[in-house]
Amino acid sequence: AQSVAQPEDQVNVAEGNPLTVKCTYSVSGNPYLFWYVQYPNRGLQFLLKYITGDNLVKGSYGFEAEFNKSQTSFHLKKPSALVSDSALYFCAVRDSGGYQKVTFGTGTKLQVIP
Amino acid sequence: DTAVSQTPKYLVTQMGNDKSIKCEQNLGHDTMYWYKQDSKKFLKIMFSYNNKELIINETVPNRFSPKSPDKAHLNLHINSLELGDSAVYFCASSPGVDTQYFGPGTRLTVL
Repeated sequence: AQSVAQPEDQVNVAEGNPLTVKCTYSVSGNPYLFWYVQYPNRGLQFLLKYITGDNLVKGSYGFEAEFNKSQTSFHLKKPSALVSDSALYFCAVRDSGGYQKVTFGTGTKLQVIP
Repeated sequence: DTAVSQTPKYLVTQMGNDKSIKCEQNLGHDTMYWYKQDSKKFLKIMFSYNNKELIINETVPNRFSPKSPDKAHLNLHINSLELGDSAVYFCASSPGVDTQYFGPGTRLTVL
């Protein structure tokens, strides 16, 4: 069975500081990994994904994530946080084989303080 | 030119009623999904269809019945609504099993 863990319910960071939102995963095969963002009263929006290739993946709005196979992690990062980045962030994983469902983490609320 | 649309946006109803939520995508995707997001913001997949065929059916009460009349539509019908069904329901679509595109959500309140 696949799973994904987001150990922090909330992350607070000062505007202009770097931010990290943590994610670890477990799959039996090769992982497909995703980050989504949800603003209040909106649906989830895709930020970035790792399928194969470079471990450092760049996505929308200046976000990036690093795939670390040995640590089974896919942490989301941004060099300089903006107040507008405040939202709920979801990590998601699926196994690469066949029609597998995507499993979402429990979400991490990012609060960027002006 | 909305990619994934859901109707209605809000649904308030009494316990025991039957209601439907409609979803349409104009992205040409083969795969569509229904998710339930509870009050703690946990997101749980309910169903997935690929080319009108049910491929994922999680442990969901059989009061919930999805219907896909064509590749662009996936509707969710709920019988005998219960208080615990109150949540935000999201429809999504994807090209195969890649990135998912979510609708704006339907907030269901059961009184």
